[in-house]
Amino acid sequence: AQTVTQSQPEMSVQEAETVTLSCTYDTSESDYYLFWYKQPPSRQMILVIRQEAYKQQNATENRFSVNFQKAAKSFSLKISDSQLGDAAMYFCAYRNLEGYNKLIFGAGTRLAVHP
Amino acid sequence: EAQVTQNPRYLITVTGKKLTVTCSQNMNHEYMSWYRQDPGLGLRQIYYSMNVEVTDKGDVPEGYKVSRKEKRNFPLILESPSPNQTSLYFCASSLSKGGWNTEAFFGQGTRLTVV
Repeated sequence: AQTVTQSQPEMSVQEAETVTLSCTYDTSESDYYLFWYKQPPSRQMILVIRQEAYKQQNATENRFSVNFQKAAKSFSLKISDSQLGDAAMYFCAYRNLEGYNKLIFGAGTRLAVHP
Repeated sequence: EAQVTQNPRYLITVTGKKLTVTCSQNMNHEYMSWYRQDPGLGLRQIYYSMNVEVTDKGDVPEGYKVSRKEKRNFPLILESPSPNQTSLYFCASSLSKGGWNTEAFFGQGTRLTVV
């Protein structure tokens, strides 16, 4: 069975600085999807960025980028130029390529942004 | 506007009193699922449905029931709630097969407290 591990329950960053959130996963599949979701205090689940495992190039969405290391089964999220609105819980998630759209989540990392 | 609507957003109930959390989506998605979110555990799948009248257990189904009589609706039923079902619940929907752009859409969440 696939598992996702986020080893940092809490992180903090100064406004305008850069922070990296860690995520590792375990799977025997060769192709799959990986995601980072943001959950602000409103509880809404917001898709931040996604990566398809067969793509070598790391995904980037504005200030958000990932460092995808397939051999190491690592999928970290880098937030550049952190803003107060980035404060939230961040979840790493895995999904198989085939089959139905089941997401497997990590425990989450709570990010605080200090002015 | 494409959305998944859950009701209620907050619910406090007593042990043993049957309750239903409703979920409705307007995107004609085949696949719907329920997750519960608990501190330190992330989101875990409770039940899922591949289409009308087709449902199956997720990872933590004990104490829950679901039904899928219409494509747009997927209610979560707790026939005899217990305090260990106090949690944050999310409904999600997506197109059935896992394509690259098969994004999961989440409802706003339901905070359930069982006393």
